[in-house]
Amino acid sequence: EPEVTQTPSHQVTQMGQEVILRCVPISNHLYFYWYRQILGQKVEFLVSFYNNEISEKSEIFDDQFSVERPDGSNFTLKIRSTKLEDSAMYFCASSVLRDTQYFGPGTRLTVL
Amino acid sequence: EDQVTQSPEALRLQEGESSSLNCSYTVSGLRGLFWYRQDPGKGPEFLFTLYSAGEEKEKERLKATLTKKESFLHITAPKPEDSATYLCAVRSTGTASKLTFGTGTRLQVTL
Repeated sequence: EPEVTQTPSHQVTQMGQEVILRCVPISNHLYFYWYRQILGQKVEFLVSFYNNEISEKSEIFDDQFSVERPDGSNFTLKIRSTKLEDSAMYFCASSVLRDTQYFGPGTRLTVL
Repeated sequence: EDQVTQSPEALRLQEGESSSLNCSYTVSGLRGLFWYRQDPGKGPEFLFTLYSAGEEKEKERLKATLTKKESFLHITAPKPEDSATYLCAVRSTGTASKLTFGTGTRLQVTL
């Protein structure tokens, strides 16, 4: 069964450094998403992406964040200058249409 | 603003002891209600999508139902492997595609 994959599974970085989180969505899916979950809190929407542009973003997704689909299979989330409060699990998700979203296993980001 | 409230926060059941989890929602208009299962340190695993009041979906020991204000996830004769956090999420007419999640119900099933 096709699934969303994410790399790395765990990323440790120093405050102020740039990080790129990578995702390979399910191959025939057209919509791509990033969510995050701070430890012990709810899953929060960051951004959705369709047809090579952002279709919706939350207040969390400020100028420090960007997304890109650099080729036909990868979808990335870049955080330009990480802060302590960016420490969280980051989940990539994809969907065929704007419907059921399938999530990846997540990348745990730790900012020191 | 869309809101999702799940109860109880935690539930401990004995194997075979059936129960229900609740998800109350407030949205401008419902485009879909989603149930996910999340194991510790893992991503949400899709269970069900419900679109309109009166709809029901079933899978093994789980059954999801939907009314105009809430959804229930019924667990019949649970087993220890059903232990997980169950998440409810909504997509509303007020947004393009984002899901708004509740805080989840942490279920533990013991022998």
